[in-house]
Amino acid sequence: GIQVEQSPPDLILQEGANSTLRCNFSDSVNNLQWFHQNPWGQLINLFYIPSGTKQNGRLSATTVATERYSLLYISSSQTTDSGVYFCAVSDSARQLTFGSGTQLTVLP
Amino acid sequence: EAGVAQSPRYKIIEKRQSVAFWCNPISGHATLYWYQQILGQGPKLLIQFQNNGVVDDSQLPKDRFSAERLKGVDSTLKIQPAKLEDSAVYLCASSLAVPSGIPDTQYFGPGTRLTVL
Repeated sequence: GIQVEQSPPDLILQEGANSTLRCNFSDSVNNLQWFHQNPWGQLINLFYIPSGTKQNGRLSATTVATERYSLLYISSSQTTDSGVYFCAVSDSARQLTFGSGTQLTVLP
Repeated sequence: EAGVAQSPRYKIIEKRQSVAFWCNPISGHATLYWYQQILGQGPKLLIQFQNNGVVDDSQLPKDRFSAERLKGVDSTLKIQPAKLEDSAVYLCASSLAVPSGIPDTQYFGPGTRLTVL
């Protein structure tokens, strides 16, 4: 099956800083999603982005499908951005394979 | 709109005991998923239902895990007997199941944290 690698595994930032999270995948995909898991365990879908660039407020994502990677940008980070960010991909309908995540801690 | 509901939120059992988890998806969502998330890892799909039929259960340990979605709405995941390595968060998700090629966002429940002693 598809392999998904995320980096860095851990990231600690001061409030207001910017960050870039990376997701590499081993094969062509037709579905790529970024999720945020808050400290209480709730998973929230951030982006559906199998290719191209999208922005939502302080968050944006870019996927370069031909080079098999995706980037999640967080600007002007806030303490509420803390949690684990997951990249998940699929090469067929519906079944997602998740990476191991990036643990982000934003300090006040 | 109500989200995906799961119960219980926490469960502690001893090894070799049985346990069951319940999930009620978002109203109208045809597809339901059960994931297992071990501490420090991403969620891993256990089983996917489309209405009341199984689409994919290739990663479900069928010797001890079972799941059903009898009326195509809510679902139950059971472990019998439990092992220490089953300690994890069990997440339920649902999606509309739109036609192929259109984004089909999965919405996750809060999860059930299982500890096997």
